[in-house]
Amino acid sequence: QQQVKQSPQSLIVQKGGISIINCAYENTAFDYFPWYQQFPGKGPALLIAIRPDVSEKKEGRFTISFNKSAKQFSLHIMDSQPGDSATYFCAASMNFGNEKLTFGTGTRLTIIP
Amino acid sequence: EAQVTQNPRYLITVTGKKLTVTCSQNMNHEYMSWYRQDPGLGLRQIYYSMNVEVTDKGDVPEGYKVSRKEKRNFPLILESPSPNQTSLYFCASSLLGRGEQFFGPGTRLTVL
Repeated sequence: QQQVKQSPQSLIVQKGGISIINCAYENTAFDYFPWYQQFPGKGPALLIAIRPDVSEKKEGRFTISFNKSAKQFSLHIMDSQPGDSATYFCAASMNFGNEKLTFGTGTRLTIIP
Repeated sequence: EAQVTQNPRYLITVTGKKLTVTCSQNMNHEYMSWYRQDPGLGLRQIYYSMNVEVTDKGDVPEGYKVSRKEKRNFPLILESPSPNQTSLYFCASSLLGRGEQFFGPGTRLTVL
């Protein structure tokens, strides 16, 4: 059962453009929504995270938008750079449960010059 | 340096030959977990541990064992590996209730 659905599977964006990756979840008990960034040959690393008491969180060029009623959240990368080329995973957890992260299937982002 | 280490990084083995992948963290984290990453499926949790001597199944535990005898170590054991366990494995750790999980560099396992 796919509890976190992520789209698109792959994304190509021109340098300087906006990259947008979307996720939808089913379990209303989720209360922590992180995005992880993974470079080839490396483990995932936390990029940015949000809790459902806010609708948006911004850190530098990265923004999470959160829509609790629609059970959706998205990652926006502004002024995308070639160094942003990586695989991005959304995830969700019940932070005070077993800490388990339920991951989306990932988006391979390529930024072209 | 705060980190999660895994060994080996790469392993090719044959069906049925028992193997262990080690995981160690130096951040005094209570929570540790194993995930496997497969194309198109994302990362799926195999087993997790919330403290020493406390382990539980994740979403895909079949064919795997774990143990947590010390806080820093959380080995993954494949008693009789099969080809469907060919995958990229990640160990992760975190403080309980703090959200961020720190991942190791991964172990790429091939079972022939």
